[in-house]
Amino acid sequence: QSVLTQPPSVSAAAGQKVTISCSGSSSNIGNNYVSWYQHLPGTGPKLLIYDNNKRPSGIPERFSGSKSGTSATLGITGLQTGDEAEYYCGTWDSSRNSDWVFGGGTKLAVL
Amino acid sequence: EVQLVESGGGLVQPGGSLRLSCAASGFTFVNHWMSWVRQAPGKGLEWMANIRGDGGERHYVASVRGRFTISRDNGKNSLYLQMNSLRADDTAVYYCARYGAMATMGFDFWGHGTLVTVSS
Repeated sequence: QSVLTQPPSVSAAAGQKVTISCSGSSSNIGNNYVSWYQHLPGTGPKLLIYDNNKRPSGIPERFSGSKSGTSATLGITGLQTGDEAEYYCGTWDSSRNSDWVFGGGTKLAVL
Repeated sequence: EVQLVESGGGLVQPGGSLRLSCAASGFTFVNHWMSWVRQAPGKGLEWMANIRGDGGERHYVASVRGRFTISRDNGKNSLYLQMNSLRADDTAVYYCARYGAMATMGFDFWGHGTLVTVSS
């Protein structure tokens, strides 16, 4: 069971908007920046959002991030079939068990 | 162009050892914390270990502490993961990942991964 909680799957029609939630605690999200990753089969994950809401160069404005308290959200607008992937949130954690924690992942289906 | 290329994966028996390598290029290796992250079949990403740029600080997830050792050779721009006492549940694709310029940024570049299968 992952330290950060994400919905296992979300879906929306092409062209529409979807949000993916990531819930944690004060030992992780509540006191640290959150990043988001897109993972396609057979490749390494790709950084989409860092420091809660910043996009690396080359990431379209369709991808956005936000954080409030111990939860974070990834938003994707103008959905495309190429957005079908697994999405993970991640952040530092101050517990003794792990420096860094990921969410369990959310599979996005574009209908 | 930043590149991270893992190698060293394969089939190993339970209780055995394996050493993974990650060759880095396209950036000043010593300036970045590095990490190993794995994904077991049908599971999500799991952070394994990280190491500071000068190698002077290392951290591990509790489940591999005492069995795995992360190291780096900055002269060779390489990251390593020595895995001992391997168990079936260590079967996974292992990714090498670079922390961004500020470690708070998370992992800004990843390799394509190397598969480790622990089975008799």
